[in-house]
Amino acid sequence: DVKVTQSSRYLVKRTGEKVFLECVQDMDHENMFWYRQDPGLGLRLIYFSYDVKMKEKGDIPEGYSVSREKKERFSLILESASTNQTSMYLCASSLTSGANVLTFGAGSRLTVL
Amino acid sequence: GENVEQHPSTLSVQEGDSAVIKCTYSDSASNYFPWYKQELGKGPQLIIDIRSNVGEKKDQRIAVTLNKTAKHFSLHITETQPEDSAVYFCAASKEAGTALIFGKGTTLSVSS
Repeated sequence: DVKVTQSSRYLVKRTGEKVFLECVQDMDHENMFWYRQDPGLGLRLIYFSYDVKMKEKGDIPEGYSVSREKKERFSLILESASTNQTSMYLCASSLTSGANVLTFGAGSRLTVL
Repeated sequence: GENVEQHPSTLSVQEGDSAVIKCTYSDSASNYFPWYKQELGKGPQLIIDIRSNVGEKKDQRIAVTLNKTAKHFSLHITETQPEDSAVYFCAASKEAGTALIFGKGTTLSVSS
């Protein structure tokens, strides 16, 4: 089974802190994604990556950056956390070939005080 | 870019009834339409998908229909059970390996 592991299930940070959300997948998937989930707004794409050291902006990249130094790891970075970034963050991965099936992690719930 | 609208936002049914969730998309170039189910405390999981060269697909109690002309697709769940209670998301994308754009989700409650 493909596994996508998000290192932190719950985080509480203060406004202005730098926050790292880590995601690791173990099935050699080329593509990795970060989504944000908020009630009534669904899943919104923040950033995605098709290859190592490659990144593309999604629909809501403002206030976020990403890093993909290794194929299996995709990190989401909040340079200076703000209260409006309190949310559930979901990481996903997929293969480039064949069906566009995303495998999601369990999510990281971030609270910014 | 692509925009996906999903309705209804909440749906309550009795056990054994059918449930239908509808989505529309804006980009006529989209050709892949999956449905994901998210249970409490978990990430979304793919339950069924359909591609633009197919009008309908079934898998046991769930089915998806696609109308490319009208740019809408629907999820049908028959003989609902309490374990079907979850949040369901539709999505669309242009080709394999590209980012999925999701609808806002439907919270389905099945009461026994």
